[in-house]
Amino acid sequence: ILNVEQSPQSLHVQEGDSTNFTCSFPSSNFYALHWYRWETAKSPEALFVMTLNGDEKKKGRISATLNTKEGYSYLYIKGSQPEDSATYLCALGGATNKLIFGTGTLLAVQP
Amino acid sequence: EPEVTQTPSHQVTQMGQEVILRCVPISNHLYFYWYRQILGQKVEFLVSFYNNEISEKSEIFDDQFSVERPDGSNFTLKIRSTKLEDSAMYFCASSERWASGEGEQFFGPGTRLTVL
Repeated sequence: ILNVEQSPQSLHVQEGDSTNFTCSFPSSNFYALHWYRWETAKSPEALFVMTLNGDEKKKGRISATLNTKEGYSYLYIKGSQPEDSATYLCALGGATNKLIFGTGTLLAVQP
Repeated sequence: EPEVTQTPSHQVTQMGQEVILRCVPISNHLYFYWYRQILGQKVEFLVSFYNNEISEKSEIFDDQFSVERPDGSNFTLKIRSTKLEDSAMYFCASSERWASGEGEQFFGPGTRLTVL
């Protein structure tokens, strides 16, 4: 059974702080790694789909890196804002297209 | 921007009752999915659907569950006889292409199902 882990479980930062969190996954038979941002009562929003080892993607103040050999991805937020408060989910995409999700990291940004 | 919609946002039902959760995927998407999240647990895959057939289902998706695309726009999840442990947030998702795990899946806002 594939297991995707995220850490930390939750994070409280001050506005303006930069932060990062981790997604760990089995490195064998890798296809794709997805990052989602999920605000309460809204749809999970796709941030990145990453496939290549060493890949780095960026969207505004948010960026992500991927290491498929050691089985981890980092998500970075530069200069956190209160509107960044959300749960950040990573998910492993496989050959059959189902997504296997991690537990999520709940980020709270204090003004 | 096109989005996946789900109705109702919250459904309360009695144990043993049938429920139908409805989803309208993005119009040009061909692949459809249901996931659920029991409170405090991970989001977990239930079923994928393409060309009017189930492509894959998880072990959770037993005979009590069924999916249907009754017309060109709706995608439904039916639970025939709900159990307390079916209480969860149910998410519908759709994607334009298969792409072996790479295809971006667009999620709806979820239906919170509460079984009493």
